[in-house]
Amino acid sequence: GENVEQHPSTLSVQEGDSAVIKCTYSDSASNYFPWYKQELGKRPQLIIDIRSNVGEKKDQRIAVTLNKTAKHFSLHITETQPEDSAVYFCAARDSSASKIIFGSGTRLSIRP
Amino acid sequence: EPEVTQTPSHQVTQMGQEVILRCVPISNHLYFYWYRQILGQKVEFLVSFYNNEISEKSEIFDDQFSVERPDGSNFTLKIRSTKLEDSAMYFCASGTWQDGGEQFFGPGTRLTVL
Repeated sequence: GENVEQHPSTLSVQEGDSAVIKCTYSDSASNYFPWYKQELGKRPQLIIDIRSNVGEKKDQRIAVTLNKTAKHFSLHITETQPEDSAVYFCAARDSSASKIIFGSGTRLSIRP
Repeated sequence: EPEVTQTPSHQVTQMGQEVILRCVPISNHLYFYWYRQILGQKVEFLVSFYNNEISEKSEIFDDQFSVERPDGSNFTLKIRSTKLEDSAMYFCASGTWQDGGEQFFGPGTRLTVL
């Protein structure tokens, strides 16, 4: 089955700087890669997603890239703000079923 | 905007007791899921449900777990005899292929087994 690895587990950046979180997946048939932001005690919130027919997607300060050949995908947050502090999860959807396989999470802290 | 709802928000139970966690998926969704998240860990898939039957389950979803859609709106997760290690946040999610596969998560039920 699908396995998603995520790095780093913690990330601290200065407010205004960029943050990058990287993930790899194992199942080459996976075709949907969502990213979730989770605040303490809350549900995972979808912030952006990318499908396997696209290499890059951007939404304001957030961008995702996908390298299907290498089975890598990354989240880029530019001009970070204090409200970006949260745990971020990458994920992949199994191609045959619809379950979502999550990475282990990255705790992002924005230093003022 | 329609949302997935879950009740209760927090359930405390004694080891060995049965618990039922309830979810109301978004009304036009056809696929339903349960996930769990042990404190500080990642979200893990438990089970998916479509057309009134389980479509897939993980190895976590053993004989102690069951799911049901008792009526047209509710989707429940039952744990027959809770263990300490069942303590976690349980998230229900629903989706439809028409949304391109996005799953909408409920706010979760925090289950504490004493």
